[in-house]
Amino acid sequence: DAGITQSPRHKVTETGTPVTLRCHQTENHRYMYWYRQDPGHGLRLIHYSYGVKDTDKGEVSDGYSVSRSKTEDFLLTLESATSSQTSVYFCAISESTQGIGYTFGSGTRLTVV
Amino acid sequence: SQQGEEDPQALSIQEGENATMNCSYKTSINNLQWYRQNSGRGLVHLILIRSNEREKHSGRLRVTLDTSKKSSSLLITASRAADTASYFCATDARGYQKVTFGTGTKLQVIP
Repeated sequence: DAGITQSPRHKVTETGTPVTLRCHQTENHRYMYWYRQDPGHGLRLIHYSYGVKDTDKGEVSDGYSVSRSKTEDFLLTLESATSSQTSVYFCAISESTQGIGYTFGSGTRLTVV
Repeated sequence: SQQGEEDPQALSIQEGENATMNCSYKTSINNLQWYRQNSGRGLVHLILIRSNEREKHSGRLRVTLDTSKKSSSLLITASRAADTASYFCATDARGYQKVTFGTGTKLQVIP
């Protein structure tokens, strides 16, 4: 997806270990989001950022933290991974909160064993 | 919790037929968006309709919005096998700076 990349694309990790997922954008968009996608739940917002060092919680933020030290990078950290955090994680960016669609990354498939 | 709920959850049609998906939501919105997700990929933005609009077209896509019923529909005309994907509605509730997504409709177009 043009202008936004997620890394890694796939990861398998053990329960209890910390994991960091990276979202990188080249669009200079102000807003960045982390979602998780699970069968039967659709996409659920974990955290979002409305500027450098400005972040806020979404509906499923427990067990996750984020950081945004520069405009182009938004990091999602699972502090101590659990099996319930096995999911596909998507990053999205937007220029505005209203009236403009989001651009999504290709996703990171995380498996916690 | 999801703001939008799509209906049906799954839909299978023949190539050339029209596909209609519906979305219902709970609270007042600024706008409603539709996205497509191909298997194993990220979501792609299709169309956005504002709360003061009733209908919008983009190529073979037609979206309607009925704010009195808190519902929207996405019509794909003359479907193609390449339209096979999951389709999500997303709402931007008034007073919130976040978009929430429904659980999606899985469309299969049979060649």
